[in-house]
Amino acid sequence: ILNVEQSPQSLHVQEGDSTNFTCSFPSSNFYALHWYRWETAKSPEALFVMTLNGDEKKKGRISATLNTKEGYSYLYIKGSQPEDSATYLCALNFGNEKLTFGTGTRLTIIP
Amino acid sequence: KAGVTQTPRYLIKTRGQQVTLSCSPISGHRSVSWYQQTPGQGLQFLFEYFSETQRNKGNFPGRFSGRQFSNSRSEMNVSTLELGDSALYLCASSLRQGAYNEQFFGPGTRLTVL
Repeated sequence: ILNVEQSPQSLHVQEGDSTNFTCSFPSSNFYALHWYRWETAKSPEALFVMTLNGDEKKKGRISATLNTKEGYSYLYIKGSQPEDSATYLCALNFGNEKLTFGTGTRLTIIP
Repeated sequence: KAGVTQTPRYLIKTRGQQVTLSCSPISGHRSVSWYQQTPGQGLQFLFEYFSETQRNKGNFPGRFSGRQFSNSRSEMNVSTLELGDSALYLCASSLRQGAYNEQFFGPGTRLTVL
């Protein structure tokens, strides 16, 4: 069983500050790494699909990097806003439709 | 374009009963996956259907089953419910199979087993 670890488990950040959190994995034997944002009472929303060529992905104030050699992916949020409050999940895909999820980082933005 | 819909949103059952959950994927999506979320466990993969066939299966007992219809709608059935089956059940659809395909999630069905 492959453990996808996310840290920290929870995070409180002042509005306007930037933050980042980590998804780590023991093996690079996967095809893609997915990041999701999950707001309370809503559906998980896909943020990025990272492939093994190590691209940085960016969407507005949010970006992600993938380092397969060291076994981690970072998600960065620049200038946090209240609407960024959510649980951020990473998941690995090993070549089929099964996503292996981490337990998430719960982010709370303090106005 | 309508998103993934799941019915019912909330369900209360008692131990020993069975339950059927429904998932309607985004129009045109042919792959439907099911996940279970319990506190402290994160999202656990149950199974995936594509073109009415189960293509992938997670590590769950045989009490958990599913099917997919020709219109890609999917149902998940849990028989002989146990207290530990209380969870949020999410389904996700994607246009086709593949590691790079974005999966779109529904809002989930919250099942409580008493």
